[in-house]
Amino acid sequence: GAVVSQHPSWVICKSGTSVKIECRSLDFQATTMFWYRQFPKQSLMLMATSNEGSKATYEQGVEKDKFLINHASLTLSTLTVTSAHPEDSSFYICSALPGLTQYFGPGTRLTVL
Amino acid sequence: GENVEQHPSTLSVQEGDSAVIKCTYSDSASNYFPWYKQELGKRPQLIIDIRSNVGEKKDQRIAVTLNKTAKHFSLHITETQPEDSAVYFCAAHTGGFKTIFGAGTRLFVKA
Repeated sequence: GAVVSQHPSWVICKSGTSVKIECRSLDFQATTMFWYRQFPKQSLMLMATSNEGSKATYEQGVEKDKFLINHASLTLSTLTVTSAHPEDSSFYICSALPGLTQYFGPGTRLTVL
Repeated sequence: GENVEQHPSTLSVQEGDSAVIKCTYSDSASNYFPWYKQELGKRPQLIIDIRSNVGEKKDQRIAVTLNKTAKHFSLHITETQPEDSAVYFCAAHTGGFKTIFGAGTRLFVKA
């Protein structure tokens, strides 16, 4: 199957700082990638759809100025959590679609102190 | 809006028994239904999928059925093993690129 990588796998930061998470499709080109967050024992919540060369589409309730998404190439999308707060602590997972099936990255566990 | 409901939220079975997880979807335009298995702290992994023009699909101990009229689809795991213990998510792919996930089922297989 397709391979999606994510970096970093975990990050701890201080409140008020910004954190950038990278999502890469390693063996295919992805014009569309997705960003999810997952709280403990909960489902995947779609945050936004990242479109190569254009603006991301955010889901209702997700602040676009807080979660900045850049999809600058066909293999890389980045999510920047700006001015992070403890409530932003979560598991962030990206995915990409080489066809109909979504392939997920390994996730990034963000802890904001 | 689009919605996928998944039941049960928790399922505990004895090793060797079967496990069934059921989902319903709201968008009649949904045409693709993947199932993912997620182990603790890891990424969701696709285990089986079914398209809307097929009623049933089987892969070794795993099978999925789809009833388009009722907008139901189910995952069946036979001869369960302890390593089947995980969280399982159903999903429905709607028009465009959007995939809606169910809330997940935590499966425990007791040895």
